[in-house]
Amino acid sequence: GAVVSQHPSRVICKSGTSVKIECRSLDFQATTMFWYRQFPKQSLMLMATSNEGSKATYEQGVEKDKFLINHASLTLSTLTVTSAHPEDSSFYICSARSINTDTQYFGPGTRLTVL
Amino acid sequence: GESVGLHLPTLSVQEGDNSIINCAYSNSASDYFIWYKQESGKGPQFIIDIRSNMDKRQGQRVTVLLNKTVKHLSLQIAATQPGDSAVYFCAENMDAGNMLTFGGGTRLMVKP
Repeated sequence: GAVVSQHPSRVICKSGTSVKIECRSLDFQATTMFWYRQFPKQSLMLMATSNEGSKATYEQGVEKDKFLINHASLTLSTLTVTSAHPEDSSFYICSARSINTDTQYFGPGTRLTVL
Repeated sequence: GESVGLHLPTLSVQEGDNSIINCAYSNSASDYFIWYKQESGKGPQFIIDIRSNMDKRQGQRVTVLLNKTVKHLSLQIAATQPGDSAVYFCAENMDAGNMLTFGGGTRLMVKP
C-alpha cells in the first residue's frame, strides 16, 4: 500500500519550454500533496503544499507563476515548470499524505534537465 | 531558525555490523519524526516513524530512538547489509501532519 507514482521519470527539454510532471497516489486518496526539489548531494527542499480543490501554498522564494501546481483530484497533482531554464534543472519529488495518516509517501522523482 | 540536522555526513560500516545514524532537532514543539532512505536517483522511502509520546519504536531490523531531553533522534540498523547503502534523512513534522522539514542527510556505506 501507499504507492505514489510520478511521470515522467526523466525529461530533457530546451530552454523556454514548459514541462508538466504528474504525481499520483495509486492506492489511497491524498488530501494533501507536496512538491520538493532536490539538487545533487543536498536535502529535499519543500516548494509547495497542495490541497485538493484549493490553491497551493508556496514556500518563500518559490515563484508561483513559474511553478504551477494543480491538485484537481484526491489522487492527482501536477507541477508545471513554465519557461524552463537551465537553473531549473533538478530532481523534483512529490509526496502524498492520506486522510488517515501523518506520514508522507514519496514518488520516485522526476529528473529534469533543461538545455 | 529552528531546523533539523545531522551529526555525521558519511557513515561507513562493515557488512553484518550494526549502524547508528544520528539526528538533532531544535524545535521542541515537533511531535512527529520520520526516517527516510533514499537510494541514488530515487525518491525517499519511508523506513520508520515515531511520535513524541514514545521513546523507542522497532521495525524489521530498524529501531528509532527519541530523546526529547536533548532533542536527539537516532536510527539503528541491525546486521547492516549492502542493500542498506543509501542516504538517510530524518524529517521533523512541524505542523500537525503537514509540512516536513528534512535534515541534511547521512550517507551510509556498507563495506563487504
